[in-house]
Amino acid sequence: NAGVMQNPRHLVRRRGQEARLRCSPMKGHSHVYWYRQLPEEGLKFMVYLQKENIIDESGMPKERFSAEFPKEGPSILRIQQVVRGDSAAYFCASSPGATSGNTIYFGEGSWLTVV
Amino acid sequence: DQQVKQNSPSLSVQEGRISILNCDYTNSMFDYFLWYKKYPAEGPTFLISISSIKDKNEDGRFTVFLNKSAKHLSLHIVPSQPGDSAVYFCAASASNQGAQKLVFGQGTRLTINP
Repeated sequence: NAGVMQNPRHLVRRRGQEARLRCSPMKGHSHVYWYRQLPEEGLKFMVYLQKENIIDESGMPKERFSAEFPKEGPSILRIQQVVRGDSAAYFCASSPGATSGNTIYFGEGSWLTVV
Repeated sequence: DQQVKQNSPSLSVQEGRISILNCDYTNSMFDYFLWYKKYPAEGPTFLISISSIKDKNEDGRFTVFLNKSAKHLSLHIVPSQPGDSAVYFCAASASNQGAQKLVFGQGTRLTINP
């Protein structure tokens, strides 16, 4: 998973604050994905983006969560008015394309703790 | 609905022996399967994958077997080494449902005993 850079690695927020998680894909990759892992569970798909486009956000909670992948700069996952249940590990991944056979590569994750 | 299931939360194997991790799926549209390995506080690391047109794929000590009729796949690690101790996730995707939208199992914690 070398190459997909996420920051911050750890983030603590109080209930009601905003959390912003950043992801820079591997060099040459134009497809970015966000996954969430709750404690003791597997990873769950949240959103799939290409530059300036959200392709599939079927796994995103309808409220408070948003994602973007601007023309310049990293992809951002934004969580507004965080609640305790948002505490999780958030993993970004990237791939060069979107067809089967293009394995996605994960970053090291951002651990959000809401207190 | 858990479309990808790893029914064994944990597995303990002696060093040098074979480790076999199992995974079952329910969605018949899945056509690409992957195994990831994860250490604590790190991201998942890709290990090996298999397309539904194959029934076996091998890479060094790792072999993945796919039984489409049983909707079952397994990962074999031989010989097992202490560094293989980690959580292993099985994942699947469907070309016509978003090829990169991986559905993960809950993971199996593998412990290799020296």
